[in-house]
Order: sequence, then structure tokens, then C-alpha cells
Amino acid sequence: EAGVAQSPRYKIIEKRQSVAFWCNPISGHATLYWYQQILGQGPKLLIQFQNNGVVDDSQLPKDRFSAERLKGVDSTLKIQPAKLEDSAVYLCASSLTGLTGFNEQFFGPGTRLTVL
Amino acid sequence: KQEVTQIPAALSVPEGENLVLNCSFTDSAIYNLQWFRQDPGKGLTSLLLIQSSQREQTSGRLNASLDKSSGRSTLYIAASQPGDSATYLCAVRPIQGAQKLVFGQGTRLTINP
Repeated sequence: EAGVAQSPRYKIIEKRQSVAFWCNPISGHATLYWYQQILGQGPKLLIQFQNNGVVDDSQLPKDRFSAERLKGVDSTLKIQPAKLEDSAVYLCASSLTGLTGFNEQFFGPGTRLTVL
Repeated sequence: KQEVTQIPAALSVPEGENLVLNCSFTDSAIYNLQWFRQDPGKGLTSLLLIQSSQREQTSGRLNASLDKSSGRSTLYIAASQPGDSATYLCAVRPIQGAQKLVFGQGTRLTINP
């Protein structure tokens, strides 16, 4: 079974530039998550999708971050414009469903973003 | 608000030793608790998931316990090997609120040959 795919694996940009990350979840997984992990900290949820609908985006900085999952499968996360404090690893995860709370999340390899 | 704490932040032990990593959480109303491993520059690999009704889970040399009433979990690693060197993260899934995973900051483990 293929795992969660993410691209690119690494990205270096200058502040005020824009960047986009892509995630393809495990086939059949209805729930998709984007996390931000700053160096030395645990991951923090940015946004959770159930199929193509947003379940939770309470910690997403909406003035600069946006995410979409138009067909309920793969997803993109965009930052525009980037700030120095956005330097982090962006992790995508998926689960069969997030509704019951019992479903295990599977994580992709992450995209390491460096903002100069 | 659920908070998860892992102590110590870093641990270094000689190869072959048994060791325990600790995780504590402030709200016992959880669906489950999950232990992850993260290698440098890599994503998270799930090691063990303990449902709220369970007391422990075992996989190979790993054993995770859960004491929900006291808000504590431990990850026991037997006969440690250099390949076990990584950061270990625990996360809980709260019943209340958005039910999103809440992570600790991790314990960086180094096994010395």
C-alpha cells in the first residue's frame, strides 16, 4: 500500500515570496491533515479536511496561508507572502475518517521550508 | 485546553540498556494516545496506538502503557540499539473540541554504541 506522498521535499525561498506544497493521501482516506512543525517542537495542526470540506482551520494564519482539496483527494497548501517564522517542516497526514476519533493518522515525509 | 509534555527533552544511553520515555497530558478525556518516531529530516512513523479503553500495547521491543486517570503514558524500549536513535513524540486525540491530535515536544534519544 502506497503511503502519503508529499512534494517538494525541500524548498528555500526569500521572505515575501510565495510557495506551494502538494500532498496525495493514502487511497481511500477521507480525512487529510496539514501540520506545521517548527524545529524542536511537536507538530501543530493547521487544517483538517473531511473529503473536500474543511473541518478545522482554527490555527491556520488565514491572512497568508490557504489550502484546498478540491476533488477530495490530493491537497495543496500555499503561503503568500512567506515570513521568516514560516520556516518549518510541513507534514501531511491522512486517516480513513476523522469523525470517530479512533482512526490512526499516517504521515508523509514532510516538506522542509526555509525562508531567508 | 489539552497540553502534552514529554520529559526529558533529550536522553543519551549506552547500547543494550532498557529505557523509559515519559508523556503526560492534562485532560483525561481522550480517544487514544499515539507514539511516533521521527528521524532527522523525515516524517513521523507511528509506533503504537493505545485506545482509551486499553492499558498497554506492545510491538517487538516496544511497550507503551496508558494511565488515563493520571494523565500519563510511558514508552518502554528494551535492549536499545543505535538504530533506535531518533526523536520520539507522543500525541493524544481529545474527545472534546476539534478532536485534533495534540503533540508533545518530543524526546530526542541517542543510543551510543
